[in-house]
Amino acid sequence: GQNIDQPTEMTATEGAIVQINCTYQTSGFNGLFWYQQHAGEAPTFLSYNVLDGLEEKGRFSSFLSRSKGYSYLLLKELQMKDSASYLCAVNADKLIFGTGTRLQVFP
Amino acid sequence: ETGVTQTPRHLVMGMTNKKSLKCEQHLGHNAMYWYKQSAKKPLELMFVYSLEERVENNSVPSRFSPECPNSSHLFLHLHTLQPEDSALYLCASSPGGARRYGYTFGSGTRLTVV
Repeated sequence: GQNIDQPTEMTATEGAIVQINCTYQTSGFNGLFWYQQHAGEAPTFLSYNVLDGLEEKGRFSSFLSRSKGYSYLLLKELQMKDSASYLCAVNADKLIFGTGTRLQVFP
Repeated sequence: ETGVTQTPRHLVMGMTNKKSLKCEQHLGHNAMYWYKQSAKKPLELMFVYSLEERVENNSVPSRFSPECPNSSHLFLHLHTLQPEDSALYLCASSPGGARRYGYTFGSGTRLTVV
């Protein structure tokens, strides 16, 4: 079966660092994506990992360990506009999504 | 604007109505998808079209009927829906598989069945 787990909700303070974890068990693996989705808007691409290690892009970084079936998204210097849902998705010939993590950033 | 446009943004329909959702992309992609997004559930893949041919139907009830007349347009025809079908319906496109940039999503149609 296909299973992707991530926490349902997280809270953090403006300026802080937050790490959103994702674990997966899928029948295939061709890469892992993180998307950001603001309420009422389209999910938008944040990052892609296909090899083990850390990918950094500005304030956002994403890590992958294929042997552990594990990824995380790291958000630094949090801003109020980072309040959104963060979706972990595995490419197993099609994109399979987790439930998403709703992040609330407080002043 | 993501390059994938969905209309309408909101739709309220009775259980006996027939309506259609529309999706349009001008990104030159040749694969298009319908996803259902319900509260506290993962995005559920409903249908996949590649080069206008349906390549996947994930056990979706027949009250949902997709149509892909060309590589830029995708429709979801709805009839005799149930209240549990109320959800956000997202359309996405890709160059042909997720590759490095995944799928490009539209903003969705918020469907309420009354």
